[in-house]
Amino acid sequence: KQEVTQIPAALSVPEGENLVLNCSFTDSAIYNLQWFRQDPGKGLTSLLLIQSSQREQTSGRLNASLDKSSGRSTLYIAASQPGDSATYLCASRATYKLIFGTGTRLQVFP
Amino acid sequence: DVKVTQSSRYLVKRTGEKVFLECVQDMDHENMFWYRQDPGLGLRLIYFSYDVKMKEKGDIPEGYSVSREKKERFSLILESASTNQTSMYLCASSLWTWTSASEQFFGPGTRLTVL
Repeated sequence: KQEVTQIPAALSVPEGENLVLNCSFTDSAIYNLQWFRQDPGKGLTSLLLIQSSQREQTSGRLNASLDKSSGRSTLYIAASQPGDSATYLCASRATYKLIFGTGTRLQVFP
Repeated sequence: DVKVTQSSRYLVKRTGEKVFLECVQDMDHENMFWYRQDPGLGLRLIYFSYDVKMKEKGDIPEGYSVSREKKERFSLILESASTNQTSMYLCASSLWTWTSASEQFFGPGTRLTVL
């Protein structure tokens, strides 16, 4: 059974720092891994999708990497801003459904 | 851009009422999903549908049913609402499943409170 873990559970940093959020999964036979952002009381916004054949994906200040052999993905946020404050969720897909991690709650203060 | 909309952002219902949550997507996606999200439990899949009139149970289908009469619309039904169904309900859609490029897109969520 696939399990997805995110470390740390919470993170508070000053504006401008470069951040790394970690995601681990137990079953390496995945189709893809998706990173989401969730603001309080809102739905999930898809940030990046990494297909199983890819090593990384980039979108603006965000870069996500995937290492299937070690069961790890990282989300790198460059030059963090207060507007980046949110919960970040990773989810792996091995069948029809996504298996979600419990998230990292990020706070970026000015 | 893919757009997934949900009929209500907030809903308050009484125990025993029949509740309908509606979800509509505008990208001709084959797959649609209903999740609930609770503190400490994360997101859990209730039901999903891979085609019109086709449905599969997820991890926690008890107390729920679904309907998909049109490709763009997926409804979640609480036959007799109970207080333990108070939760955030999230709808999602994606293209055909068996491809690594298939990305799920979520709606804004419905916060349901059952009194």
